[in-house]
Amino acid sequence: KQEVTQIPAALSVPEGENLVLNCSFTDSAIYNLQWFRQDPGKGLTSLLLIQSSQREQTSGRLNASLDKSSGRSTLYIAASQPGDSATYLCAVRGISSGSARQLTFGSGTQLTVLP
Amino acid sequence: EAGVAQSPRYKIIEKRQSVAFWCNPISGHATLYWYQQILGQGPKLLIQFQNNGVVDDSQLPKDRFSAERLKGVDSTLKIQPAKLEDSAVYLCASSNNHGGANVLTFGAGSRLTVL
Repeated sequence: KQEVTQIPAALSVPEGENLVLNCSFTDSAIYNLQWFRQDPGKGLTSLLLIQSSQREQTSGRLNASLDKSSGRSTLYIAASQPGDSATYLCAVRGISSGSARQLTFGSGTQLTVLP
Repeated sequence: EAGVAQSPRYKIIEKRQSVAFWCNPISGHATLYWYQQILGQGPKLLIQFQNNGVVDDSQLPKDRFSAERLKGVDSTLKIQPAKLEDSAVYLCASSNNHGGANVLTFGAGSRLTVL
């Protein structure tokens, strides 16, 4: 059964810092990996999706990498801003059939960027 | 494009009572998901529909939870009778691709408190 772990659970940084959020997964047989953002009282917004054959994806100040063999992904946020404050979740989609093909989420990292 | 609509946003009930949540997905999205997100955890899939058929309900507690999507558009998730451990945010999501690299669009969620 796939398990997804995100460390740290919470992170507080001053504005302008570059930071890295970590995600690890136990089963490397994945179809893709996604990073989501969740603001308080709101649903999830997809930030980046990395296919299993890809190494990284970039969108603006965000860069996500994937090392499938080691079961790890990182989300790099450059020049952090207070508006980046949110919970960041990673999720992997398995390649097996049935429930293993569904998204398995980590518990998230709660990021606070201080002005 | 209108987003995924959910109602009610908040609901407080006593244990053993019943509750129902409604979801209207993005127009044209054939796939609809219900997730349960307990405080401090990542979302967990309860049920996935493809049009009006169930694709995966392996994690749905069928003794108390039920869901339907009769016309392949709107969906209703019901809990009867509710337990304290059902306190969570119930997220609805939709996509226009069955599995694969599709990106899910989430609603804002329905927060349930069971007293």
